[in-house]
Amino acid sequence: IAGITQAPTSQILAAGRRMTLRCTQDMRHNAMYWYRQDLGLGLRLIHYSNTAGTTGKGEVPDGYSVSRANTDDFPLTLASAVPSQTSVYFCASTHRDRSCDTQYFGPGTRLTVL
Amino acid sequence: AQKVTQAQTEISVVEKEDVTLDCVYETRDTTYYLFWYKQPPSGELVFLIRRNSFDEQNEISGRYSWNFQKSTSSFNFTITASQVVDSAVYFCALSEDPNTGGFKTIFGAGTRLFVKA
Repeated sequence: IAGITQAPTSQILAAGRRMTLRCTQDMRHNAMYWYRQDLGLGLRLIHYSNTAGTTGKGEVPDGYSVSRANTDDFPLTLASAVPSQTSVYFCASTHRDRSCDTQYFGPGTRLTVL
Repeated sequence: AQKVTQAQTEISVVEKEDVTLDCVYETRDTTYYLFWYKQPPSGELVFLIRRNSFDEQNEISGRYSWNFQKSTSSFNFTITASQVVDSAVYFCALSEDPNTGGFKTIFGAGTRLFVKA
């Protein structure tokens, strides 16, 4: 693989169910992010990870959890999905330092919670 | 707190016209990063440019140019001689200094650009 992959591409989920969105990058980037995109609101940061083993909360973290066990993977879990979590979810990664920082985005996961 | 405002929700131009997308930001940090991304109808997000707060030089890349002015907290994006393929949603984003608060990026709501043939 090259770049960032996300799985699944799309999912319809019943409210109350648990769901994990997967994100994998092969660029050895240290920082990874999860965003949700909703019409009229742009992209909002859910959680981020500066390096493997660390995570932090973004703008809209409630109802979501993440883990960063290694450099490549950054899964996003919805413990008990609710309809307001219907959105398109984008994973991104970058190598953050002062001289070079290009954010690469995955293709997105379209999630519908009924 | 950080904030990014893209006041233009939608812009419609005719091919070959020049168009400027506005971006105004707010931050308390003295060191920060500004970005522009393009989201074509296919949905993927494409990185266009990143600027550091300590580098106010304007940038030109082909038909694209960016005007960064700290005095007005603006980072505007101009497309010269627009083409139909430029039709997309464009997002401006702001990220704080990684040495202070962590890697958090705030996006504007986006400007949808329609370029008509």
